[in-house]
Amino acid sequence: EAGVTQFPSHSVIEKGQTVTLRCDPISGHDNLYWYRRVMGKEIKFLLHFVKESKQDESGMPNNRFLAERTGGTYSTLKVQPAELEDSGVYFCASSQGSSGNTIYFGEGSWLTVV
Amino acid sequence: EDQVTQSPEALRLQEGESSSLNCSYTVSGLRGLFWYRQDPGKGPEFLFTLYSAGEEKEKERLKATLTKKESFLHITAPKPEDSATYLCAAGGYGGSQGNLIFGKGTKLSVKP
Repeated sequence: EAGVTQFPSHSVIEKGQTVTLRCDPISGHDNLYWYRRVMGKEIKFLLHFVKESKQDESGMPNNRFLAERTGGTYSTLKVQPAELEDSGVYFCASSQGSSGNTIYFGEGSWLTVV
Repeated sequence: EDQVTQSPEALRLQEGESSSLNCSYTVSGLRGLFWYRQDPGKGPEFLFTLYSAGEEKEKERLKATLTKKESFLHITAPKPEDSATYLCAAGGYGGSQGNLIFGKGTKLSVKP
């Protein structure tokens, strides 16, 4: 069974440009999460989808970040316009069912804004 | 404020030298305490979930325990392949499922 897959694995963009990260969760997982880790910091929660609905977006840093999950399958996270402080690794994760179930992570998308 | 603190930041062991990693947490009603292993350039790999004080779980050379304030990851007779960063994360009922508070991790190096 395929795990959580993320694209691209690495991206280098200039400040002010737009980047879109994609995540394909494990098949059948209704819950999809985005996290990120910036240099030297711990992993932080960004948001949680249940199917196509945003359950919790309390961790989204500002309105330059837009997450979507059309049809309740894959998800995209767009950063527009990107700033230097957005550099880091963005993790997508998914889980099945309700509270307490195992959350499986993808390999991450490494973003560098120059 | 919800918080997770891991210690030590780094730990160097000789192969076969057992030790423990600490995770202290403060969350509003613990939904679950998670341990992950992360290798360089990879995503976190799930190890354990603990739900209530007194609970213990084991997997090969690893054993996780939980109290009301902290969790320990005990490593018995480690091997070089156990070298990785070990992450602790807590989920509280103050946040939604998946709204985990992560520690910064403990980087474990096991020398042959």
